[in-house]
Amino acid sequence: GAGVSQSPRYKVAKRGQDVALRCDPISGHVSLFWYQQALGQGPEFLTYFQNEAQLDKSGLPSDRFFAERPEGSVSTLKIQRTQQEDSAVYLCASSLTQGVGNTIYFGEGSWLTVV
Amino acid sequence: AQSVTQLGSHVSVSEGALVLLRCNYSSSVPPYLFWYVQYPNQGLQLLLKYTSAATLVKGINGLEAEFQKSETSFHLTKPSAHMSDAAEYFCAVSDPYNNNDMRFGAGTRLTVKP
Repeated sequence: GAGVSQSPRYKVAKRGQDVALRCDPISGHVSLFWYQQALGQGPEFLTYFQNEAQLDKSGLPSDRFFAERPEGSVSTLKIQRTQQEDSAVYLCASSLTQGVGNTIYFGEGSWLTVV
Repeated sequence: AQSVTQLGSHVSVSEGALVLLRCNYSSSVPPYLFWYVQYPNQGLQLLLKYTSAATLVKGINGLEAEFQKSETSFHLTKPSAHMSDAAEYFCAVSDPYNNNDMRFGAGTRLTVKP
């Protein structure tokens, strides 16, 4: 597609429920990023993939968060046993390569509300 | 590690007035710097970026940002505000040799009064 596509756009989950958020990066983009944006805050880095390899997951807040990109294109961010503090917008972004200064393109985000 | 501080969580200007959004950075290496805009319910859109070439970076619609190493700043300016400029603006910094870890500021919400 023309841009980074994320689904679902909006998700309401009951506390304790598992959720899966999907990201379709721009076709051909090697690098894929996940960010978490809490209300009134800037995006916080979660994890980074280069093709199918997860090279950095230092930003994942707990072991309840898991991300994968098995074929080097679509990625899924999974949150197990959701808690209220997980409520945020989850932004996916991609770039052509991991080269310096390459533009990173963001999707519109998946808005998660945990009740 | 890099970090960004955006001074002023809210900025309000009149239509036609100068827009100045402040960004100061901290970095242990010469940084790359970015300004993004976010409209309600949308993702972030890149406005302009500094990647160690010219210190004055120009974007669309009169947007400019100047990298000032001595002041560790990368403020965003626009000579004349338009109603459509109302949005949330984020400054970001990355390590040129490891740009998978981009750090964002908390954002500045720009309001434009008629």
